[in-house]
Amino acid sequence: NAGVTQTPKFQVLKTGQSMTLQCAQDMNHNSMYWYRQDPGMGLRLIYYSASEGTTDKGEVPNGYNVSRLNKREFSLRLESAAPSQTSVYFCASSQGNNSPLHFGNGTRLTVT
Amino acid sequence: GENVEQHPSTLSVQEGDSAVIKCTYSDSASNYFPWYKQELGKGPQLIIDIRSNVGEKKDQRIAVTLNKTAKHFSLHITETQPEDSAVYFCAASTEGNNRLAFGKGNQVVVIP
Repeated sequence: NAGVTQTPKFQVLKTGQSMTLQCAQDMNHNSMYWYRQDPGMGLRLIYYSASEGTTDKGEVPNGYNVSRLNKREFSLRLESAAPSQTSVYFCASSQGNNSPLHFGNGTRLTVT
Repeated sequence: GENVEQHPSTLSVQEGDSAVIKCTYSDSASNYFPWYKQELGKGPQLIIDIRSNVGEKKDQRIAVTLNKTAKHFSLHITETQPEDSAVYFCAASTEGNNRLAFGKGNQVVVIP
């Protein structure tokens, strides 16, 4: 049982480049989330998908787009990367309201 | 929205002693309070959670207490071991809300 799988684990981009972070879960969860983690800032929600076919903005959505491809997969896209987007990105999933989150092991992104 | 604060930001304890981390929250409608442990290079992992219809929950060396009147909840780790060294995050959410509000995290260091 893999849980939540994120790819890639590491990525270096130049300012202005684009990329997509991939996330898949095998727990048949309804809800999926993207967080970023920066030193001293904790976990901040970028976007989430309460159920297949829906997406909503979180605290810090600017500069990002998401796609809930199907129930298993939720991708995060940076169209034009900026140094301020250097961070560790975590994908998570849950059954839904007031349920525990299950996190992947993160993607460490550096934008130069 | 919900605001969750954690204290202290860093906690050092001698192996075998107890560690207590306290979180406060702002939204009196919050009714779900999970705690996550994050080890270096990994995603946060749920260690215990509590709902507002109970005041305390235990799981081996870990316990969580909730005081709804004062709007705070605490994580208690007894007989600390080196493997308890990690960053701990508290969070809160309300019924019908898919979004967890996280605190900024506490670094716990267990000194052998």
